[in-house]
Amino acid sequence: ETGVTQTPRHLVMGMTNKKSLKCEQHLGHNAMYWYKQSAKKPLELMFVYNFKEQTENNSVPSRFSPECPNSSHLFLHLHTLQPEDSALYLCASSQEGRTSNYNEQFFGPGTRLTVL
Amino acid sequence: SQKIEQNSEALNIQEGKTATLTCNYTNYSPAYLQWYRQDPGRGPVFLLLIRENEKEKRKERLKVTFDTTLKQSLFHITASQPADSATYLCALVLTGGFKTIFGAGTRLFVKA
Repeated sequence: ETGVTQTPRHLVMGMTNKKSLKCEQHLGHNAMYWYKQSAKKPLELMFVYNFKEQTENNSVPSRFSPECPNSSHLFLHLHTLQPEDSALYLCASSQEGRTSNYNEQFFGPGTRLTVL
Repeated sequence: SQKIEQNSEALNIQEGKTATLTCNYTNYSPAYLQWYRQDPGRGPVFLLLIRENEKEKRKERLKVTFDTTLKQSLFHITASQPADSATYLCALVLTGGFKTIFGAGTRLFVKA
């Protein structure tokens, strides 16, 4: 166990549905990330939150909406998705010090999303 | 354009041999380079980090080199075991620390 949990592990949704992915980290980290991993493609960074503030939004379509209510929880709200959004969505966390920049990330197991 | 490339073909080696995986990048100036392991259906797991001013880093059977002139990192697993079979991802950590760019990974198969 890496200390990062994600729910649900699998999700099937229609294009008109609204759903949310949840991520929780139990490591006391202050940065959290959402990545998308499609088959045979590199992980794509979607969003980064540092101390609950969004510091990165990698040109992600507005049908993906992140929420970070505190440094332990991260959500990804989904609405009107497309079939090409089907992928593995991974959450990660890291501890960023004031002077260190190591960015060792701890990943959750991912949510396998299928959009019909 | 900016690219990070890893061997797209799977690497098959015999148990006990050394596996060498390559990561090349262009038009990035990473502060650090990391290697992760990913097993099917699971999230990546961090293995090693090397800084831009370091040439080599070792951890048990793992060794990473980093050549910022060639813009290349090599990842070695010595005395490989079937349990080392997985996908290995290299990742560039850019200045600022939060933006990490991942390669697509190389699948390694170690045969007993």
